[in-house]
Amino acid sequence: ETGVTQSPTHLIKTRGQQVTLRCSSQSGHNTVSWYQQALGQGPQFIFQYYREEENGRGNFPPRFSGLQFPNYSSELNVNALELDDSALYLCASSQGRATNEKLFFGSGTQLSVL
Amino acid sequence: DAKTTQPPSMDCAEGRAANLPCNHSTISGNEYVYWYRQIHSQGPQYIIHGLKNNETNEMASLIITEDRKSSTLILPHATLRDTAVYYCIVRSYTGTASKLTFGTGTRLQVTL
Repeated sequence: ETGVTQSPTHLIKTRGQQVTLRCSSQSGHNTVSWYQQALGQGPQFIFQYYREEENGRGNFPPRFSGLQFPNYSSELNVNALELDDSALYLCASSQGRATNEKLFFGSGTQLSVL
Repeated sequence: DAKTTQPPSMDCAEGRAANLPCNHSTISGNEYVYWYRQIHSQGPQYIIHGLKNNETNEMASLIITEDRKSSTLILPHATLRDTAVYYCIVRSYTGTASKLTFGTGTRLQVTL
């Protein structure tokens, strides 16, 4: 049990729709990162938020966007869904951005785009 | 990004030590080595991390070579519940964000 909770656990959308995924960080953690994991692959870094500001992004288009709230909970928004967006979306929180801060992952949201 | 290389799969008998190797020859001086594991589409579980000294916690030991180009994760007494995909990761910065760059990992199968 990591204390990181994600909702919903499963979601089905159709191509072109928009989706919002939610994450509640572990208590005391001010940094949240989002990862996308396609079937059979390792997770891929989408972006990181630190104190409500995006401070780093992986190789994902602008239709992937996020928010971090004052209580450090977070949202991942994906617009204009494509079939290849079908994946497990993982949220991870940490006490800071430094490379020696442990990341704790939630159980993920399984998104299927039809 | 520093790349890691792991064997795609390994077997281990229950009760024996599981030694999972990892190569990270391009690691930079201030980059940490992390190990996570993932069981059947659950979120990755943190195991251990280190910079240059060997580390041990309640789950595992991490042995990092002196030149830091490789490391070994040791599960001292493997159980069936340790069957999972194990990821060796070099944590790096992209801008001011720190990220984990996952590879394809090692699928560890623990057998009776």
